[in-house]
Formats: sequence, C-alpha cells, structure tokens
Amino acid sequence: DAGVIQSPRHEVTEMGQEVTLRCKPISGHNSLFWYRQTMMRGLELLIYFNNNVPIDDSGMPEDRFSAKMPNASFSTLKIQPSEPRDSAVYFCASSPTMPQGSFYNEQFFGPGTRLTVL
Amino acid sequence: QKEVEQNSGPLSVPEGAIASLNCTYSDRVSQSFFWYRQYSGKSPELIMSIYSNGDKEDGRFTAQLNKASQYVSLLIRDSQPSDSATYLCAVSNQGGKLIFGQGTELSVKP
Repeated sequence: DAGVIQSPRHEVTEMGQEVTLRCKPISGHNSLFWYRQTMMRGLELLIYFNNNVPIDDSGMPEDRFSAKMPNASFSTLKIQPSEPRDSAVYFCASSPTMPQGSFYNEQFFGPGTRLTVL
Repeated sequence: QKEVEQNSGPLSVPEGAIASLNCTYSDRVSQSFFWYRQYSGKSPELIMSIYSNGDKEDGRFTAQLNKASQYVSLLIRDSQPSDSATYLCAVSNQGGKLIFGQGTELSVKP
C-alpha cells in the first residue's frame, strides 16, 4: 500500500511567487495534517482536516498561507506571496479515522517538500 | 514552559549499549504518546506508541510511560550505528493534535 504522497519534493522559487504544495493521504485515512519543520522551530502543526473539514488552523502563520482539502484523497497548501522566511520542509501526514471519544492518533508522514524561497 | 520537552543532545552511546531517551510533557490530560525516528533529510517515522502507564516492548525498543510524573521515555537495547538519528517525542490529547518535542539527536559509535 502506498504511503502518503507529496509533490513536489523540492521547490525553489523567488520571493513574491505563489507556491502550491500537494498531498495525497493514505487511502482510508480520514485525517490529514500539514506540518512545517525548521531547525529553529522544530516540527510545527499548521493545520489539520478531519473528513475534509478544517478542524484547527491556529498554526497557520498568517494570511499568506491557505490550505484546502477538496476530497478525501487530495489536499493543497498554498503560500501567496512567498517570502524567504517560509523556507522550510513541509510535511503532510495522515491518520485513520478515530472512533468518537478515541484518542489513538498514529500519524504517518509523507516524504516532505523542501521549499527554498530566494 | 514548552508543552513537550526533550534534551536536544547529542546523546552518544557505544554500539551494543542501551540508549535512553527522555521526554516530559505539560498537559495532564494528554492521552497518547508516540516516538518517531527521523534520519537526516528524511521524514519522521513512527516507531512506538504507548497509551497506558508502564512499559511497552517491541523488539529492541521499550517505551515507558508515567502519567503521574508526566514523563515518557524510550530505551533502545543493543544500540546499532543504524539507530543514529533524531528521536522525536509526540503527545496527543483527545482533540487529535500531536505536539512534538524538539527531538534528541542520538549517535551510536561503532
């Protein structure tokens, strides 16, 4: 079974350009998470979806960032306009649906997109 | 106080020794605890999950949880050079969010 798929794996762009990162979760997983990892701040949760609905976007740094999940097998994270401080590795992760009241949340990560904004 | 705290390391152990990685968390209602391994340039890989007090063993790995002390640890027995990586502790409550520590870098010397 394929794991979480992310594209592109590497992205180099210039400041001010729009960047779109893509993610396909593991089939059957109903929760999807976007993370950003930097040396300074570690692994930070940006936003997560449950059944395609955004549940918590409190980690999204500012209005330049937006995320969508139009269906159960696809999500995008968009940065517009991009800035050099957005340079980081962006991970997408997915987890199985948790039964109501459950707290088991094993998340499985994709390979990540390394973004460099010049 | 950070929500999840780990010593950044690096922790250096000789091959064949036991590596002990520690993590403390601040939210008492946390219910699920995870250890991820991350090799340089790669994504985090789930290696252990633990939900109740006590020990949980899987091969060379043992996770230990003490909710009263808000403490979770990972022991790696018979450490191998291939275990050299950064180990991330993650904590979750019923809301489903995972909060990660900064990670502990482990180096196993041949």
